[in-house]
Amino acid sequence: GAVVSQHPSRVICKSGTSVKIECRSLDFQATTMFWYRQFPKQSLMLMATSNEGSKATYEQGVEKDKFLINHASLTLSTLTVTSAHPEDSSFYICSATTGTRYGYTFGSGTRLTVV
Amino acid sequence: RKEVEQDPGPFNVPEGATVAFNCTYSNSASQSFFWYRQDCRKEPKLLMSVYSSGNEDGRFTAQLNRASQYISLLIRDSKLSDSATYLCVVDGSQGNLIFGKGTKLSVKP
Repeated sequence: GAVVSQHPSRVICKSGTSVKIECRSLDFQATTMFWYRQFPKQSLMLMATSNEGSKATYEQGVEKDKFLINHASLTLSTLTVTSAHPEDSSFYICSATTGTRYGYTFGSGTRLTVV
Repeated sequence: RKEVEQDPGPFNVPEGATVAFNCTYSNSASQSFFWYRQDCRKEPKLLMSVYSSGNEDGRFTAQLNRASQYISLLIRDSKLSDSATYLCVVDGSQGNLIFGKGTKLSVKP
């Protein structure tokens, strides 16, 4: 089946630094990538939607200059958390779709801790 | 009103019990409905899609009532391995998924 590889699975960084999270679709072309964030005991919340070759669409309240998304190819999307702060500590997870109705595949998630 | 609402639980049940989860959604235009399972600190995994006619997969039965905007999941003969958080999910306007907060299930021996 479709596989999305997400790295790193866990990262601890200092306040003020930037962290890049990668999601790769291994055996299919992902026309759209969704980036979600999940705080403890909360639901997964959509942060942004990216389509290959175009700018990402951010959800209300998500700072596009802080969470940089690049979807340069049909198999790779990256999320960079810039100038990270402790409140950015969360579980970040990507989901790729080929555009078919039930074609959602999730990455394994990245647990970010900012100290 | 939240887009997808679920009872957070926890539901603590003995092995072999039958347990039911309910969910309501606010967008009447939603077309796709799912139940996902999420284990602690892991990514969500699709448990089953939910169809208007209702569908069953082994011990799991899902029902959808479009008129009431209500989705349910029934688990029969609970196993210890069923312990997890069950997420009610509907499709969003951008092709994304909208997740409920989840219902935590703990199956005890």
